[in-house]
Amino acid sequence: TQLLEQSPQFLSIQEGENLTVYCNSSSVFSSLQWYRQEPGEGPVLLVTVVTGGEVKKLKRLTFQFGDARKDSSLHITAAQPGDTGLYLCAYDRTSGSRLTFGEGTQLTVNP
Amino acid sequence: NAGVTQTPKFQVLKTGQSMTLQCAQDMNHNSMYWYRQDPGMGLRLIYYSASEGTTDKGEVPNGYNVSRLNKREFSLRLESAAPSQTSVYFCASSVRGYNSPLHFGNGTRLTVT
Repeated sequence: TQLLEQSPQFLSIQEGENLTVYCNSSSVFSSLQWYRQEPGEGPVLLVTVVTGGEVKKLKRLTFQFGDARKDSSLHITAAQPGDTGLYLCAYDRTSGSRLTFGEGTQLTVNP
Repeated sequence: NAGVTQTPKFQVLKTGQSMTLQCAQDMNHNSMYWYRQDPGMGLRLIYYSASEGTTDKGEVPNGYNVSRLNKREFSLRLESAAPSQTSVYFCASSVRGYNSPLHFGNGTRLTVT
């Protein structure tokens, strides 16, 4: 059973458009991490959200943690080709150092 | 500062062959991890080492062994490779365990024929 569901699985948009991707679960998380992975590279941490209702901004990227801490979203404003990549959310299943990832959203921004 | 370094970058094996994937980090991190990434399956944890001298199984440990050689190095061994082990393997490290962000290497693309 996939504990983290990310949607959509694939997204292809034109440069300048806005988009939102989602990370959902039936479980409550103490915190959630978002990563971006570019082709041929490992994932790189974008942000960690900790508090229910928290909003964090990273330039044109806005991350929100749901009030109940069961879901999170990533909104990109005026997408650029450099935003192309696989966006992954992840959380710790237990207190034993085991980060679990969702399957990711593959974003393609066309010039 | 190199971060997490994995070798080799690419490898092709025949079924039944063995090999060791090497990983080293220079960030003085306590915890290290091995993940595999497959299309439609996301990143799945194979083994991890919370600290030097300890290793534990992750979600998909069968067919693999690991060694935490010292604080810097964590290797993954395939004793008898199978086509199902064709994947991209990522090593990662973190300062500590719970909720600590991971720093990944750039992966090893392994094909088993």
